[in-house]
Amino acid sequence: DAGVIQSPRHEVTEMGQEVTLRCKPISGHDYLFWYRQTMMRGLELLIYFNNNVPIDDSGMPEDRFSAKMPNASFSTLKIQPSEPRDSAVYFCASSVRAGYYNEQFFGPGTRLTVL
Amino acid sequence: TQLLEQSPQFLSIQEGENLTVYCNSSSVFSSLQWYRQEPGEGPVLLVTVVTGGEVKKLKRLTFQFGDARKDSSLHITAAQPGDTGLYLCAGGDNNNDMRFGAGTRLTVKP
Repeated sequence: DAGVIQSPRHEVTEMGQEVTLRCKPISGHDYLFWYRQTMMRGLELLIYFNNNVPIDDSGMPEDRFSAKMPNASFSTLKIQPSEPRDSAVYFCASSVRAGYYNEQFFGPGTRLTVL
Repeated sequence: TQLLEQSPQFLSIQEGENLTVYCNSSSVFSSLQWYRQEPGEGPVLLVTVVTGGEVKKLKRLTFQFGDARKDSSLHITAAQPGDTGLYLCAGGDNNNDMRFGAGTRLTVKP
């Protein structure tokens, strides 16, 4: 079975440009999570969805970040306009359930560099 | 916000040595998970502990949840180069959040 799929794997863009990261969760998983990982701040939860509905977006840094989940098999994280401080590895994860008993399955990540 | 502090931040040892890494918080967690992340990949779950004082073993890895459910440790016996990676702990509460520590970056030299 395919795991969580993310695209692109690497993205290099210039400051001010729009960036869209994509995620396909594991089929049958009801929860989808977006994380950002940097050396300074570690792994930070940005937002998560349950059955395509955003539940908690308190981790989204600012209005430049937005996330959508139009259906159960696809989600996007958009940054507009991008800034150099957005450079990080962005992970998507999915799980059957949320909460402390459940295992999150992570995708391979998208390494974003904003010049 | 429940903060998880992991120590040490970096650890470099020789193959065959034993090691322990720690995950500490001032807050009580309903559960705690340990993940391992290899370069260029996402974290992969190793174990979940939910009961204070609980000990779980996974081959050469031993995980312990503190009695007060505020801390956890991971002990590796006879470390191997394949154990190299970033070890992350994540604490859960009664909501749907899992908060991650910054991780311990382990290097095992052959």
